[in-house]
Amino acid sequence: DAKTTQPTSMDCAEGRAANLPCNHSTISGNEYVYWYRQIHSQGPQYIIHGLKNNETNEMASLIITEDRKSSTLILPHATLRDTAVYYCIVRTLGAQKLVFGQGTRLTINP
Amino acid sequence: DTEVTQTPKHLVMGMTNKKSLKCEQHMGHRAMYWYKQKAKKPPELMFVYSYEKLSINESVPSRFSPECPNSSLLNLHLHALQPEDSALYLCASSRTPPGQHYEQYFGPGTRLTVT
Repeated sequence: DAKTTQPTSMDCAEGRAANLPCNHSTISGNEYVYWYRQIHSQGPQYIIHGLKNNETNEMASLIITEDRKSSTLILPHATLRDTAVYYCIVRTLGAQKLVFGQGTRLTINP
Repeated sequence: DTEVTQTPKHLVMGMTNKKSLKCEQHMGHRAMYWYKQKAKKPPELMFVYSYEKLSINESVPSRFSPECPNSSLLNLHLHALQPEDSALYLCASSRTPPGQHYEQYFGPGTRLTVT
């Protein structure tokens, strides 16, 4: 699976949009981008995934660049409960393994 | 019910003890996973069970012994552990058909301390 690079930490004000970048410059054509998050003292939680089109669900939006070498997870109206470590993962279709990188520690400030 | 439960929440054991971690899900998932997470590090995959058979072992030392007695239960038997095995042990489950994107549902983990 391709390697991902994320900023170590980010801050965002409550109520604002949180934009979390991820670099995956070695991604191959059959690899998808997944996002999970881990709130303190909990297990990771799936957020969203995509291949090349932008995706949106009730939790977040995922924007993938046209060359697919990077992506951005957007939490449109961040709340204090969104404080967590966010993991960007590149994974092939059908693969059972999730290989977590170091992730971004997002802190939402009041 | 989208819950994966893990027991116990906390476990302290000596290096000569034998203990077991338990994981349970009732979502009908046929894939179950064990991950290990050291403090301030990302989770690392240990084992994958698919249809109650071990499908992936990430070269985990034999002092960790997984078991999947049925489609709802996953155990991790621990024996002769070392202090460096102290970590959060996470269980997860997912649906299985190949070629599909099935999210993994994680339990809250068991925090293990080896003394």
